[in-house]
Amino acid sequence: EPEVTQTPSHQVTQMGQEVILRCVPISNHLYFYWYRQILGQKVEFLVSFYNNEISEKSEIFDDQFSVERPDGSNFTLKIRSTKLEDSAMYFCASSAGTSVYNEQFFGPGTRLTVL
Amino acid sequence: GQNIDQPTEMTATEGAIVQINCTYQTSGFNGLFWYQQHAGEAPTFLSYNVLDGLEEKGRFSSFLSRSKGYSYLLLKELQMKDSASYLCAVSAGGGGRRALTFGSGTRLQVQP
Repeated sequence: EPEVTQTPSHQVTQMGQEVILRCVPISNHLYFYWYRQILGQKVEFLVSFYNNEISEKSEIFDDQFSVERPDGSNFTLKIRSTKLEDSAMYFCASSAGTSVYNEQFFGPGTRLTVL
Repeated sequence: GQNIDQPTEMTATEGAIVQINCTYQTSGFNGLFWYQQHAGEAPTFLSYNVLDGLEEKGRFSSFLSRSKGYSYLLLKELQMKDSASYLCAVSAGGGGRRALTFGSGTRLQVQP
């Protein structure tokens, strides 16, 4: 069964450093998403991406964040200058996109720890 | 904004039935989704409701009342592996928005 994959599974970085989290969505899916979950808290939407541009973003997704689809398979989230409060599990998701009711399939997540 | 409420924790017995409630306040409702999340893992899709009524999917059923802003997830024949958090999520805002707003989740503990 096709699945969303993410690398790395765990990333440790120093405050102020840039990190890039990588995702490979399911191959025929059209919409891609990033969510985050701070330990013990709810899953929060960051951004959605369609047709090579951002289609929605939340208040969390400020100028420190960016997304890119550098090739036909990868979807990346970059945090330019990490803060302690960026420590969280980051989930990539994808959906077929033909309907707003399409199931979003989540990847296993990248645990980001900012020291 | 959107507000989603669900109980923090529930306990049930193996083989029993449990109902997890979710209430929401939103505008431009698109649909309501239920996800399961085991500790340290990603959410996995269980069901969605767009129209009022009951959607059945094996041991899991989900109900929606849009006028009441209310949904529930029904789990039958509980198994130990059903111990997990159950997340209620709403898609809203109209215009083809797909972002999901999640509730805080209900942690279900299934006991022998």
